[in-house]
Amino acid sequence: NAGVTQTPKFRVLKTGQSMTLLCAQDMNHEYMYWYRQDPGMGLRLIHYSVGEGTTAKGEVPDGYNVSRLKKQNFLLGLESAAPSQTSVYFCASRDIARTGWRETQYFGPGTRLLVL
Amino acid sequence: EDQVTQSPEALRLQEGESSSLNCSYTVSGLRGLFWYRQDPGKGPEFLFTLYSAGEEKEKERLKATLTKKESFLHITAPKPEDSATYLCAVQAPGTASKLTFGTGTRLQVTL
Repeated sequence: NAGVTQTPKFRVLKTGQSMTLLCAQDMNHEYMYWYRQDPGMGLRLIHYSVGEGTTAKGEVPDGYNVSRLKKQNFLLGLESAAPSQTSVYFCASRDIARTGWRETQYFGPGTRLLVL
Repeated sequence: EDQVTQSPEALRLQEGESSSLNCSYTVSGLRGLFWYRQDPGKGPEFLFTLYSAGEEKEKERLKATLTKKESFLHITAPKPEDSATYLCAVQAPGTASKLTFGTGTRLQVTL
């Protein structure tokens, strides 16, 4: 099992450009999450999904869109990048099938995004 | 609103010098408290989950404890390879089991 993988690892964008970050998991997990991590701010939830075809807003959703067309993939889109979106983005997934809410979240390696 | 505060922000220890990291939390109905380890340039790696006050869990040199207001991560006789940022997060009841994270404690263990 590869676990949770993220593509790309690093990207530089100019203000106003768009891009999509891909998260893939091979653990058949139902729930998936997108976080951003900034110095002194901790991990903050952007969007999440409780199953294929579902998405919901987290703590800091503005400027981002997401899609979960397949159970194993969770895409994070930036339509018009801004310097404030410079951050490290982490994807996580979680299994609820076996023990319900007691399962932990497993994180990917992150995508570093720099918006100039 | 759920809140998690970790202290200290940074801690420098000599190899073998034991210490504790603190995680104070405010949450409506704690479902679980999670500890993660994060190495530079990598994603958080799961360490422990604690579910109720009084619970303790151990893994090698690490021991996590939980009270109704805070959790401690005790590090006994640390080694340089224990150097990392340690993150605490709480889970409250509700949809999607969302986690609220603290800002972490950056631990450096020197020879």
